[in-house]
Amino acid sequence: EVQLVQSGAEVKKPGESLKISCKGFGYNFTNYWIGWVRQKSGKGLEWMGIIYPGDSHSRYSPSFEGQVTISADKSINTAYLQWSSLKASDTAIYYCARYTYNNGYYKDDYWGQGTLVTVSS
Amino acid sequence: DIVMTQSPDSLAVSLGERATLSCKSSQTILYSSSKKNYLSWYQQKLGQPPKLLIYWASTRESGVPDRFSGSGSGTDFTLTISSLQAEDVAVYYCHQYYSVPWTFGQGTKVEIK
Repeated sequence: EVQLVQSGAEVKKPGESLKISCKGFGYNFTNYWIGWVRQKSGKGLEWMGIIYPGDSHSRYSPSFEGQVTISADKSINTAYLQWSSLKASDTAIYYCARYTYNNGYYKDDYWGQGTLVTVSS
Repeated sequence: DIVMTQSPDSLAVSLGERATLSCKSSQTILYSSSKKNYLSWYQQKLGQPPKLLIYWASTRESGVPDRFSGSGSGTDFTLTISSLQAEDVAVYYCHQYYSVPWTFGQGTKVEIK
């Protein structure tokens, strides 16, 4: 059974660093893209970026490039979203999703359960 | 960035009645060479991740009930729920994947009247 299992909720202070994870089960992790989506409380969805674990090729939304780092370790079937210095405005739920690229379309089919990140002094 | 604007922000429909949701993009998301609209629709229920319903503007994802249908082209799109069921209460988002950054509409909340 295909599953994406994300790491647990985090509470951090402004300026701290953080790395959250998304582990894939039940499929060949290197053959699918993993993307990250942010959802602030009660708000809409924001696409952050995507990575291909097979070769770590990544694409970022300009809004998030330089603010976060998306990476993957194919040896342990895990993708990561990382901050070097958190801000209160990073407080949100972060979802990972699996994507298949076909005919110009990155089509998602499985999503993680989400990781709540709270940044507060 | 392509801005996606949905209307209305919320919609209350009686069980069994039709719900019509609108989405407009700030520029065309019809790719001329393939004649495909790079638009999808998602359903998000409370406390859950989004779920893909429709892609290429009108192709239903496997397993999605046929009461959900998508239409439109260019910059104007519609998601129709032909006969609203209790389990359809959710927020619905349109999403363009025509150009990076991929963007979402602000969502339409569908409730039971």
